[in-house]
Amino acid sequence: ETGVTQSPTHLIKTRGQQVTLRCSSQSGHNTVSWYQQALGQGPQFIFQYYREEENGRGNFPPRFSGLQFPNYSSELNVNALELDDSALYLCASSSENKPIMDQYFGPGTRLLVL
Amino acid sequence: AQSVTQLGSHVSVSEGALVLLRCNYSSSVPPYLFWYVQYPNQGLQLLLKYTSAATLVKGINGFEAEFKKSETSFHLTKPSAHMSDAAEYFCAVSWGSGNTGKLIFGQGTTLQVKP
Repeated sequence: ETGVTQSPTHLIKTRGQQVTLRCSSQSGHNTVSWYQQALGQGPQFIFQYYREEENGRGNFPPRFSGLQFPNYSSELNVNALELDDSALYLCASSSENKPIMDQYFGPGTRLLVL
Repeated sequence: AQSVTQLGSHVSVSEGALVLLRCNYSSSVPPYLFWYVQYPNQGLQLLLKYTSAATLVKGINGFEAEFKKSETSFHLTKPSAHMSDAAEYFCAVSWGSGNTGKLIFGQGTTLQVKP
């Protein structure tokens, strides 16, 4: 069973740029959630995608957007990057056919905004 | 607002000693509760979860946690710490249903294990 993978592992951008992060869900999972983990903090929920539709959103501005594809992989897009967007971005996949909230996390993408 | 509080951002124990990491949540409605571990430069790994079955939950690597509704707590314990337990630990709660609930995480507790 293939686990959750994310790319790239590290990324450096400058303020005002745009970035796209990618996540491949675990085999058989149709739900992907994205989290932002700032240094020294716990992860914060950004949004969730279920069967290609947004299915819940945290307290993040519209410049954070996402997509889910037919193969259930997902992208997180951030426009007009700000210094505070520097963080570890985690995605987690889960399945409606699995026990409650068995979310499996990828290794994350570490984004640095200069 | 729903929240999770982990008491103690840093806990240090000796190898072989009891590990106790504290977690309290802010609701009278029992949520789903989780403990995750994060090793350096890695993602989160689920240690254990409470989903309204037994109040004492056993997880991987010898960890267990007890749900106490009256105290709104879900503390994580391990009888004997091992050097490999040194990591960041996160308590998380979800008030959602099925697989659509979002996770709300605490700030994390760094566990240091001294030889």
